[in-house]
Amino acid sequence: NAGVTQTPKFRILKIGQSMTLQCTQDMNHNYMYWYRQDPGMGLKLIYYSVGAGITDKGEVPNGYNVSRSTTEDFPLRLELAAPSQTSVYFCAGREQLQETQYFGPGTRLLVL
Amino acid sequence: AQTVTQSQPEMSVQEAETVTLSCTYDTSESNYYLFWYKQPPSRQMILVIRQEAYKQQNATENRFSVNFQKAAKSFSLKISDSQLGDTAMYFCAFMKFYPSNTGNQFYFGTGTSLTVIP
Repeated sequence: NAGVTQTPKFRILKIGQSMTLQCTQDMNHNYMYWYRQDPGMGLKLIYYSVGAGITDKGEVPNGYNVSRSTTEDFPLRLELAAPSQTSVYFCAGREQLQETQYFGPGTRLLVL
Repeated sequence: AQTVTQSQPEMSVQEAETVTLSCTYDTSESNYYLFWYKQPPSRQMILVIRQEAYKQQNATENRFSVNFQKAAKSFSLKISDSQLGDTAMYFCAFMKFYPSNTGNQFYFGTGTSLTVIP
């Protein structure tokens, strides 16, 4: 199993551009999460999903959108990139009856 | 809302020595989980140890153990026989326990940067 994978590893965006951060898992996780980690801070939840077709907002959803058309994929969309979205983004997955989240390697995003 | 506090931004320890990282949390829940995650320079988040709040016995994983004080809402991590590979950022995390289909998000502390000195 590859676990939770994320692409790209690093990206530079100009203000106003859009992009999609990809997240795929092959561990049959029902639950998936998107976090952002700002320098010197812990992780903040952006969006999460409890299954295909079901998504919900976390603590910091503004400026982002997600979709969950399949169990395996949970992409995060930035429509109008802003410097405040410069961060490291982590995707994570969890089985329904388990409490541990498994994280992807992260995507570093720089908005200039 | 749940809050997780790590009051030690940075710590260092000599190789082979023991170090304890502190974590406190605030919640009105009675059932929950607590975790320590390690983030080395590669930025990968790696689970170190977890504790169920309903269990009185402290969790242990090889050189890693916790001191869970439910009444005090304290969850410290002890690393014994520190190794150079333990150098990383350590995050304490809290998750409420609910039945299925509620997301059960994690709440993270701000982290403690641990350096193991040769």
